[in-house]
Amino acid sequence: QKEVEQDPGPLSVPEGAIVSLNCTYSNSAFQYFMWYRQYSRKGPELLMYTYSSGNKEDGRFTAQVDKSSKYISLFIRDSQPSDSATYLCATFNAGKSTFGDGTTLTVKP
Amino acid sequence: NAGVTQTPKFQVLKTGQSMTLQCAQDMNHNSMYWYRQDPGMGLRLIYYSASEGTTDKGEVPNGYNVSRLNKREFSLRLESAAPSQTSVYFCASREMGSGNTIYFGEGSWLTVV
Repeated sequence: QKEVEQDPGPLSVPEGAIVSLNCTYSNSAFQYFMWYRQYSRKGPELLMYTYSSGNKEDGRFTAQVDKSSKYISLFIRDSQPSDSATYLCATFNAGKSTFGDGTTLTVKP
Repeated sequence: NAGVTQTPKFQVLKTGQSMTLQCAQDMNHNSMYWYRQDPGMGLRLIYYSASEGTTDKGEVPNGYNVSRLNKREFSLRLESAAPSQTSVYFCASREMGSGNTIYFGEGSWLTVV
């Protein structure tokens, strides 16, 4: 079993839709949770991170962590064509990050 | 501020050839990483270096060697390339604190024929 499992997608939504991206993890020791965005033929870049449980909001993006169920979510409100990318969830523990396989999102105008 | 710079961006190798991927970061980070990314398999850690002078194996180290030349530079070497090593390779460095953010390079596309 992978330490971080991500809903595989791909996901295609119309512009303006609310998008929900989800991951689960297996190690209860994980404390840091991140979302990276990767555009085609580019390296991943950090979108948001949260520490422990709770919500964190940044503009149209909200990251949510539920440690009791080991569930990580990223919500995108009012999605835009520029949000079209692959989104990777990640955790950090003992000096290393573990990534989900990514969900490819396409937002259609 | 260049961040993480890796070279070459594209390379085609014949089976059995050797090559080194170079990586440098200018953010004064202690930790550096090499990942490979394959369709359907996400990012997999090859090797990492927690600090200058130390290296450790990651999830998929076989067929690779690394050198942490100094605090800035971390190279990845393929001694005898195999078609299974066709992949996109990302170098990264980590900022301590601030969520332990990892900063990635732009990637190196390697094809082994």
